[in-house]
Amino acid sequence: QVHLVQSGAEVKKPGASVKVSCRTSGYTFTNYDISWVRQAPGQGLEWMGWISAYTGNTNYPQKLQGRLIMTTDTSTSTAYMELRSLKSDDTAVYYCARVVGGEFFDPWGQGTLVTVSS
Amino acid sequence: DIQLTQSPSFLSASVGDRVTITCRASQGFSNYLAWYQQKPGKAPQVLIYAASTLQTGVPSRFSGSGSGTEFTLTISSVQPEDFATYYCQQLNSYPPYTFGQGTKLEIK
Repeated sequence: QVHLVQSGAEVKKPGASVKVSCRTSGYTFTNYDISWVRQAPGQGLEWMGWISAYTGNTNYPQKLQGRLIMTTDTSTSTAYMELRSLKSDDTAVYYCARVVGGEFFDPWGQGTLVTVSS
Repeated sequence: DIQLTQSPSFLSASVGDRVTITCRASQGFSNYLAWYQQKPGKAPQVLIYAASTLQTGVPSRFSGSGSGTEFTLTISSVQPEDFATYYCQQLNSYPPYTFGQGTKLEIK
C-alpha cells in the first residue's frame, strides 16, 4: 500500500525557515513526481510546487520563487519542502502528494501544520 | 496560467438530492481535470480524474463530465458521508496545477 507520512507540526517566528519532510513507501519513489499543496486556516487549496523524483527538476509558482526549495533523497524515498523568510500568512497546513500520470494527486500525506507567529 | 472558478461556493442539499458543481476554466484545455473531496481535518481524496474517470473505490453516485472550459461533478443521490468540500484541479498546463476555490456541500 502506498503511504506518504509527513513530519510533525512546527511553530516558527517570522523570518525563520521551516523544512517539512514527506517519507514515502509502497512504490518506486523515482517513478512518480511529488507536489506540495498548502491550505491556510479556513481557506482553499493552494498548489505550491512540483519536483520530479527522477531528475530533481522543480517548478514553483512565481509568488514563492526565491523562498521555496523542494528536494528529494532517493536513498530514503523522502521528499522535502523548505520555505524561507516565513511570514504570518504562511501559516497553513502543508501537504505532500504523489502525482499520478500527470492526471491526479494520490495519495496525500496527512498534512503538517506550520504556524508562524512572533 | 489557467484559472479555475467553481460554482456555487456553497450548496445546501438534503440526503437523496442530486447535486451538480461546475468548474469553469479561464481558457480551454483537454480533459486533465480532477475532482477531490475534503472532509474537515483530513487531506483531500481524489474522486474523478481525466474529467470523467472514477477513481477506484469511489462510489458510482459520483460522476464527472465536461471539456474545454466547463466541467461538472455530479452526485446522483447525496449520502450523509458526502457532506464535505469539493475542489476541481487542472493538470493540463504542466505545471502549475491550479485548484478551484472549493464548493462546500452542507446539509439542508
